[in-house]
Amino acid sequence: ELKVEQNPLFLSMQEGKNYTIYCNYSTTSDRLYWYRQDPGKSLESLFVLLSNGAVKQEGRLMASLDTKARLSTLHITAAVHDLSATYFCAAYTGGFKTIFGAGTRLFVKA
Amino acid sequence: EPEVTQTPSHQVTQMGQEVILRCVPISNHLYFYWYRQILGQKVEFLVSFYNNEISEKSEIFDDQFSVERPDGSNFTLKIRSTKLEDSAMYFCASKRDPQETQYFGPGTRLLVL
Repeated sequence: ELKVEQNPLFLSMQEGKNYTIYCNYSTTSDRLYWYRQDPGKSLESLFVLLSNGAVKQEGRLMASLDTKARLSTLHITAAVHDLSATYFCAAYTGGFKTIFGAGTRLFVKA
Repeated sequence: EPEVTQTPSHQVTQMGQEVILRCVPISNHLYFYWYRQILGQKVEFLVSFYNNEISEKSEIFDDQFSVERPDGSNFTLKIRSTKLEDSAMYFCASKRDPQETQYFGPGTRLLVL
Protein backbone atom coordinates (compact mmCIF):
# COMPACT_ATOMS: atom_id res chain seq x y z
CA GLU A 1 0.00 0.00 0.00
CA LEU A 2 1.10 3.53 -0.71
CA LYS A 3 2.98 5.15 2.18
CA VAL A 4 3.79 8.85 2.37
CA GLU A 5 6.60 10.16 4.55
CA GLN A 6 7.35 13.77 5.30
CA ASN A 7 10.38 15.28 6.88
CA PRO A 8 11.05 17.09 8.97
CA LEU A 9 8.00 16.66 11.21
CA PHE A 10 8.83 19.81 13.16
CA LEU A 11 10.60 22.87 11.84
CA SER A 12 11.42 26.04 13.70
CA MET A 13 13.01 28.69 11.54
CA GLN A 14 13.89 32.36 11.65
CA GLU A 15 12.10 34.90 9.53
CA GLY A 16 13.94 35.58 6.32
CA LYS A 17 15.47 32.11 6.03
CA ASN A 18 14.89 29.47 3.38
CA TYR A 19 14.01 25.86 3.98
CA THR A 20 12.64 22.78 2.21
CA ILE A 21 10.11 20.20 3.35
CA TYR A 22 10.45 16.77 1.76
CA CYS A 23 7.71 14.32 0.87
CA ASN A 24 8.58 10.78 -0.21
CA TYR A 25 6.04 8.24 -1.34
CA SER A 26 6.49 4.51 -1.68
CA THR A 27 4.76 3.50 -4.91
CA THR A 28 3.90 5.10 -8.21
CA SER A 29 1.62 8.08 -7.94
CA ASP A 30 0.94 10.63 -10.63
CA ARG A 31 -0.69 13.21 -8.44
CA LEU A 32 0.71 14.96 -5.42
CA TYR A 33 -1.07 17.57 -3.34
CA TRP A 34 0.11 20.05 -0.73
CA TYR A 35 -2.19 21.43 1.95
CA ARG A 36 -1.86 23.90 4.76
CA GLN A 37 -3.64 23.56 8.10
CA ASP A 38 -3.78 26.27 10.76
CA PRO A 39 -4.40 25.13 14.36
CA GLY A 40 -8.00 24.04 14.87
CA LYS A 41 -8.85 24.74 11.25
CA SER A 42 -9.53 22.79 8.09
CA LEU A 43 -7.14 21.99 5.26
CA GLU A 44 -6.49 24.57 2.59
CA SER A 45 -5.24 23.43 -0.81
CA LEU A 46 -1.91 24.92 -1.83
CA PHE A 47 -0.70 23.01 -4.87
CA VAL A 48 -1.65 20.20 -7.22
CA LEU A 49 1.27 18.57 -9.03
CA LEU A 50 0.21 16.33 -11.89
CA SER A 51 3.33 15.36 -13.80
CA ASN A 52 7.01 14.66 -13.49
CA GLY A 53 8.98 17.88 -13.28
CA ALA A 54 5.94 19.95 -12.34
CA VAL A 55 6.79 23.10 -10.44
CA LYS A 56 4.29 25.51 -8.98
CA GLN A 57 4.84 28.71 -7.05
CA GLU A 58 2.62 30.90 -4.94
CA GLY A 59 4.21 33.75 -3.04
CA ARG A 60 7.03 32.42 -0.86
CA LEU A 61 6.11 28.77 -1.44
CA MET A 62 7.26 26.62 -4.34
CA ALA A 63 6.40 22.96 -4.83
CA SER A 64 7.96 20.47 -7.20
CA LEU A 65 7.47 16.85 -8.15
CA ASP A 66 9.95 14.19 -9.27
CA THR A 67 7.94 11.07 -10.02
CA LYS A 68 11.04 9.01 -10.81
CA ALA A 69 12.48 9.67 -7.35
CA ARG A 70 8.97 9.56 -5.81
CA LEU A 71 9.75 12.85 -4.16
CA SER A 72 8.01 16.17 -3.81
CA THR A 73 9.44 19.23 -2.14
CA LEU A 74 7.91 22.36 -0.69
CA HIS A 75 10.43 25.16 -0.62
CA ILE A 76 9.95 28.18 1.59
CA THR A 77 11.75 31.36 0.57
CA ALA A 78 12.41 34.19 3.05
CA ALA A 79 9.97 32.83 5.62
CA VAL A 80 7.56 35.14 7.42
CA HIS A 81 5.60 34.52 10.62
CA ASP A 82 2.32 34.14 8.68
CA LEU A 83 3.64 30.93 7.16
CA SER A 84 3.53 29.23 10.56
CA ALA A 85 1.16 26.25 10.12
CA THR A 86 1.19 22.51 9.52
CA TYR A 87 1.89 21.48 5.94
CA PHE A 88 0.69 18.15 4.59
CA CYS A 89 1.58 16.41 1.39
CA ALA A 90 -0.81 13.80 0.02
CA ALA A 91 -0.38 11.29 -2.78
CA TYR A 92 -3.11 9.83 -4.93
CA THR A 93 -3.18 6.03 -5.02
CA GLY A 94 -4.78 5.58 -8.40
CA GLY A 95 -8.07 4.37 -6.98
CA PHE A 96 -10.28 6.79 -5.14
CA LYS A 97 -7.97 7.22 -2.18
CA THR A 98 -5.50 9.92 -1.19
CA ILE A 99 -2.90 9.13 1.47
CA PHE A 100 -1.59 11.95 3.63
CA GLY A 101 1.83 12.34 5.15
CA ALA A 102 2.15 12.97 8.88
CA GLY A 103 2.50 16.71 8.38
CA THR A 104 5.30 19.18 9.02
CA ARG A 105 4.63 21.62 11.83
CA LEU A 106 6.36 24.86 10.86
CA PHE A 107 7.02 27.68 13.27
CA VAL A 108 8.58 30.86 11.96
CA LYS A 109 10.19 33.02 14.63
CA ALA A 110 10.32 36.77 14.29
CA GLU B 1 -16.84 31.35 -3.54
CA PRO B 2 -18.57 27.96 -3.10
CA GLU B 3 -17.47 25.95 -0.10
CA VAL B 4 -18.06 22.66 1.63
CA THR B 5 -20.12 23.01 4.80
CA GLN B 6 -20.43 20.61 7.73
CA THR B 7 -22.80 20.33 10.66
CA PRO B 8 -22.60 20.22 13.56
CA SER B 9 -19.29 21.91 14.27
CA HIS B 10 -19.04 20.06 17.59
CA GLN B 11 -20.76 16.93 18.85
CA VAL B 12 -20.49 15.30 22.24
CA THR B 13 -21.97 11.83 22.63
CA GLN B 14 -21.95 8.89 24.98
CA MET B 15 -20.14 5.70 24.07
CA GLY B 16 -22.46 3.32 22.24
CA GLN B 17 -24.68 6.05 20.82
CA GLU B 18 -25.22 6.64 17.12
CA VAL B 19 -24.07 9.88 15.52
CA ILE B 20 -24.70 11.33 12.09
CA LEU B 21 -22.30 13.89 10.70
CA ARG B 22 -23.60 15.99 7.86
CA CYS B 23 -21.85 17.59 4.92
CA VAL B 24 -23.01 19.68 2.00
CA PRO B 25 -20.39 19.37 -0.75
CA ILE B 26 -19.87 22.00 -3.43
CA SER B 27 -22.84 21.75 -5.76
CA ASN B 28 -21.24 20.63 -9.05
CA HIS B 29 -18.81 18.22 -7.44
CA LEU B 30 -19.03 14.50 -8.11
CA TYR B 31 -16.49 12.90 -5.77
CA PHE B 32 -17.04 12.91 -2.02
CA TYR B 33 -14.81 11.89 0.87
CA TRP B 34 -14.67 11.54 4.62
CA TYR B 35 -11.44 11.82 6.59
CA ARG B 36 -10.69 11.91 10.26
CA GLN B 37 -7.91 13.54 12.21
CA ILE B 38 -7.21 12.57 15.78
CA LEU B 39 -5.93 15.60 17.66
CA GLY B 40 -2.48 16.62 16.46
CA GLN B 41 -2.12 13.61 14.22
CA LYS B 42 -2.27 12.81 10.55
CA VAL B 43 -5.29 13.04 8.31
CA GLU B 44 -6.67 9.53 7.74
CA PHE B 45 -8.76 8.51 4.76
CA LEU B 46 -12.06 6.84 5.67
CA VAL B 47 -14.13 6.52 2.52
CA SER B 48 -14.72 7.85 -0.97
CA PHE B 49 -18.09 8.01 -2.71
CA TYR B 50 -18.84 8.42 -6.38
CA ASN B 51 -21.85 7.75 -8.56
CA ASN B 52 -23.98 6.99 -5.51
CA GLU B 53 -21.81 4.24 -4.17
CA ILE B 54 -18.72 3.71 -2.08
CA SER B 55 -15.72 3.61 -4.38
CA GLU B 56 -13.06 2.87 -1.78
CA LYS B 57 -12.83 2.55 1.98
CA SER B 58 -10.04 2.15 4.50
CA GLU B 59 -9.65 -0.49 7.18
CA ILE B 60 -10.88 2.08 9.69
CA PHE B 61 -14.25 2.17 7.91
CA ASP B 62 -15.71 -0.98 9.41
CA ASP B 63 -19.31 -2.12 9.82
CA GLN B 64 -19.97 0.60 12.37
CA PHE B 65 -19.60 3.25 9.69
CA SER B 66 -21.87 4.04 6.78
CA VAL B 67 -22.27 6.87 4.30
CA GLU B 68 -25.24 8.11 2.40
CA ARG B 69 -26.16 10.76 -0.08
CA PRO B 70 -29.89 10.89 0.64
CA ASP B 71 -30.66 13.75 -1.74
CA GLY B 72 -28.80 15.86 -4.27
CA SER B 73 -27.00 17.96 -1.71
CA ASN B 74 -26.25 16.20 1.59
CA PHE B 75 -23.55 13.62 2.23
CA THR B 76 -23.68 11.96 5.65
CA LEU B 77 -21.40 9.80 7.75
CA LYS B 78 -23.09 7.62 10.36
CA ILE B 79 -21.30 5.91 13.20
CA ARG B 80 -23.66 3.29 14.58
CA SER B 81 -22.23 2.65 18.02
CA THR B 82 -19.53 5.11 18.93
CA LYS B 83 -16.36 4.12 20.78
CA LEU B 84 -14.01 6.31 22.78
CA GLU B 85 -11.42 6.02 20.02
CA ASP B 86 -13.83 7.55 17.51
CA SER B 87 -13.16 10.93 19.14
CA ALA B 88 -11.57 13.01 16.40
CA MET B 89 -12.14 15.80 13.93
CA TYR B 90 -14.07 14.53 10.91
CA PHE B 91 -13.59 16.31 7.62
CA CYS B 92 -15.74 16.03 4.55
CA ALA B 93 -14.19 16.86 1.16
CA SER B 94 -15.36 17.02 -2.42
CA LYS B 95 -14.02 17.57 -5.89
CA ARG B 96 -15.37 17.95 -9.38
CA ASP B 97 -12.99 15.76 -11.34
CA PRO B 98 -10.27 13.23 -10.52
CA GLN B 99 -7.30 15.49 -11.26
CA GLU B 100 -8.51 18.38 -9.15
CA THR B 101 -7.62 18.99 -5.54
CA GLN B 102 -10.14 18.15 -2.84
CA TYR B 103 -11.96 20.97 -1.10
CA PHE B 104 -12.33 20.39 2.61
CA GLY B 105 -15.12 21.42 4.92
CA PRO B 106 -14.47 23.05 8.30
CA GLY B 107 -14.84 19.75 10.15
CA THR B 108 -16.95 18.31 12.95
CA ARG B 109 -15.20 17.77 16.26
CA LEU B 110 -16.62 14.58 17.77
CA LEU B 111 -16.05 13.76 21.41
CA VAL B 112 -17.15 10.36 22.70
CA LEU B 113 -17.42 10.08 26.50
